Amino acid sequence: DTEVTQTPKHLVMGMTNKKSLKCEQHMGHRAMYWYKQKAKKPPELMFVYSYEKLSINESVPSRFSPECPNSSLLNLHLHALQPEDSALYLCASSQVETGDYEQYFGPGTRLTVT
Amino acid sequence: KNEVEQSPQNLTAQEGEFITINCSYSVGISALHWLQQHPGGGIVSLFMLSSGKKKHGRLIATINIQEKHSSLHITASHPRDSAVYICAVKGGMAGAGSYQLTFGKGTKLSVIP
Repeated sequence: DTEVTQTPKHLVMGMTNKKSLKCEQHMGHRAMYWYKQKAKKPPELMFVYSYEKLSINESVPSRFSPECPNSSLLNLHLHALQPEDSALYLCASSQVETGDYEQYFGPGTRLTVT
Repeated sequence: KNEVEQSPQNLTAQEGEFITINCSYSVGISALHWLQQHPGGGIVSLFMLSSGKKKHGRLIATINIQEKHSSLHITASHPRDSAVYICAVKGGMAGAGSYQLTFGKGTKLSVIP
């Protein structure tokens, strides 16, 4: 199984809502990533978890809160978002953070903030 | 910071044509990835390479470490190959940044029947 799954596929939320994005992999990977991708742009790294611990936070606003409850799951909690946060949010995983391993990407969650 | 440049930005081809997409980077790397993204979709990893050449079906990827350049070739192109192809490199940065991918801006390929 080389699949990374993400739910939901689409999400529309108001600026006062609280919602969560979920990502799951069962490849035994110990590194998991959140990326944000705006239209016609490459992905931008947001967070990296390595062995369930936050390894990198690319100066992401606190309205985005990541969580890694176990080695297979990665969540992104959203609160008080702005319309400019509307984007495709991609989750990825790799065997470990260091070294040269492929990153496997999920299908993404298309987020619209109204 | 590693600069990753892709060319062309947009490419339109007739079905059956041989296609080449180029990627160059500014600083030595440990690995280079070629990724494919269909419209509105997630990203699929096509190749990861650090030297030489790899082939998978109609896709071929090559890398020249000395020249800091890689190419992705598609033989006998088909409309289903229409997608954005993204080059991403790992390494060439200090500290923890060296473990992360630096992405090119992508090449949008349209294959017309």
